[in-house]
Order: sequence, then C-alpha cells, then structure tokens
Amino acid sequence: DTGVSQNPRHKITKRGQNVTFRCDPISEHNRLYWYRQTLGQGPEFLTYFQNEAQLEKSRLLSDRFSAERPKGSFSTLEIQRTEQGDSAMYLCASSFPVAGQETQYFGPGTRLLVL
Amino acid sequence: QKEVEQNSGPLSVPEGAIASLNCTYSDRGSQSFFWYRQYSGKSPELIMSIYSNGDKEDGRFTAQLNKASQYVSLLIRDSQPSDSATYLCAVTLSGTYKYIFGTGTRLKVLA
Repeated sequence: DTGVSQNPRHKITKRGQNVTFRCDPISEHNRLYWYRQTLGQGPEFLTYFQNEAQLEKSRLLSDRFSAERPKGSFSTLEIQRTEQGDSAMYLCASSFPVAGQETQYFGPGTRLLVL
Repeated sequence: QKEVEQNSGPLSVPEGAIASLNCTYSDRGSQSFFWYRQYSGKSPELIMSIYSNGDKEDGRFTAQLNKASQYVSLLIRDSQPSDSATYLCAVTLSGTYKYIFGTGTRLKVLA
C-alpha cells in the first residue's frame, strides 16, 4: 500500500494520560499536515510541515500538543495530559506540489477516545 | 462570519438527478479551492480542485468558481446512491499554508 498510513487506528485512553500518533506519508511527498475532526465538523487544521520544518501551527493548538517530523519522512503528534475534549479523529495528509498546485491525500485517521 | 460556509443538509435528490452543492468563503485572497467527499467513518477523498474562475469538469462532476462572489459550487450529474456522502469544501487561507474546511453538506441520493 503506497498511500498515507496512520497508527494506531484507534486509541482509548484515560484523562491525564499522554498519547502519541504516527503518520507515514506517501514517500515522495514533502508536505505533511495534521488535522482534527469531530462529529459533524470538517477537518480542523492543526499543523503543517515542509520536509522536517514545522512552518505553521494553529493558534487553537494548546501547549499540550506537539508534532515532529524529524527526518522529513514520518511524523508524530503527541498530546500530553489528555482531556475529554481531545476525543476526535486525528487525520494526517501529505502532498507534493506541482506547478503551484497540490493534492492532499489523507490517511485513514486515528480515532481517539478519552475517558 | 465563518471562513468557509456550507449548508449542512441533508440534501436529498433522486437517483439520476443533478445534485448542486454550494460553498462560500470569506478570504478574498484565497487561491485554491477543493471539494472532498467523505463517507461515514472514513477519511476525506479529493474529488475536484479548482484554481481559476469558471467551470472545471471531470466525469460526472463539475466545479464552478466565482472569486468576485466568493462562491464555489459542485455539481454532480446523474447522481447515484453511491454518491451519498458528506461533501466538504476546502479553501486555502491567503498568506498561510492552512486549508480551511467547511462543515460539509450531507448528500442523500434516493434510489
């Protein structure tokens, strides 16, 4: 499978615990995005990487959230001290712009439930 | 005003009819516009991208962009029950790398 992959697909945790999600983009894609989606809403932008550089981060993202893309390949999203409000689907997307145009390919997502 | 607005629906159309989905956006500097389809429990899948005013056709899908009116639409011809899904409009925010999504319109195609 050469698409975007995300692990784990499901995560149940207790409030206050830390969780980490992984995203493996399509291999030649240099751009990587993280989104959060709750029921009935569209994906909400969290952060953007170009290669290993984190170029943009949503102001909505609290200090409990951190993301890395250490070698410009896979990325991790960590949530510290989880809260029930963090329950959502976390989506990763990757892209490679061509002639100023890009297509984002989404992974299957990681569904997080905080009890 | 929300950055990207869509009617949440549901929009119900009979099989074989044309489904018309609409989206307005607030950022006049936006340059890239996208329509995604999302089935329940799945991740979004790109249907169409459009970057300049006018129409862009791909099979049964036509995207229409009017930057002056800050309006983008998606027409689905010969709608099929398999088209039943939530359709998300996304817009790039000028001066940023952000993609802003609407809340989506739920489409139901009745057999």
